Amino acid sequence: SQTIHQWPATLVQPVGSPLSLECTVEGTSNPNLYWYRQAAGRGLQLLFYSVGIGQISSEVPQNLSASRPQDRQFILSSKKLLLSDSGFYLCAWSVPDHLQTGDGGQPQHFGDGTRLSIL
Amino acid sequence: GDSVTQMEGPVTLSEEAFLTINCTYTATGYPSLFWYVQYPGEGLQLLLKATKADDKGSNKGFEATYRKETTSFHLEKGSVQVSDSAVYFCALPQGAQKLVFGQGTRLTINP
Repeated sequence: SQTIHQWPATLVQPVGSPLSLECTVEGTSNPNLYWYRQAAGRGLQLLFYSVGIGQISSEVPQNLSASRPQDRQFILSSKKLLLSDSGFYLCAWSVPDHLQTGDGGQPQHFGDGTRLSIL
Repeated sequence: GDSVTQMEGPVTLSEEAFLTINCTYTATGYPSLFWYVQYPGEGLQLLLKATKADDKGSNKGFEATYRKETTSFHLEKGSVQVSDSAVYFCALPQGAQKLVFGQGTRLTINP
């Protein structure tokens, strides 16, 4: 079965420091991968998604970047964190496009999240 | 574009009460529809899904029926428990790769 791992679970960082959050998926090949942010008490905001190694689509221009150095690894980074980067960051995966059946669309499967606090 | 609208929260109920969380959607064609649940401090879990009109998704006592005529996918449970306290999200696919989420409905169940 497929599993998704995110780490760390909690992170406290000073303003201006760098960031690296990692997400890995096991049990599937070539998944679509996603990074979301959830501000306190708010909905989900899609930040980045990737359909393959080195292929990153950015949804919202901001202080963050994403990379996919390996098939099942997705990394969220920042060179200098801002106070507004605080939030709950969620990684997710879905079945790759070429394995999807029907035209109804596929669900995404989420990790446990990283709570990031910027001081 | 495709969109999802959920009922405003928060919703507070007593244990064993009947639950309905409304979800309506706007979409081209007939996409699959999903309900996700997010327990405090955790990620989202897929609660149930329906892939075509009149399908009923069900899991953990929750049900939702895909109503094409009313473009709705309301979440229901006959008797809620304290452990059902969470945030619930309705969602539908946008293209092959993305999901559109509702704003989430926070549910609190009091003993």
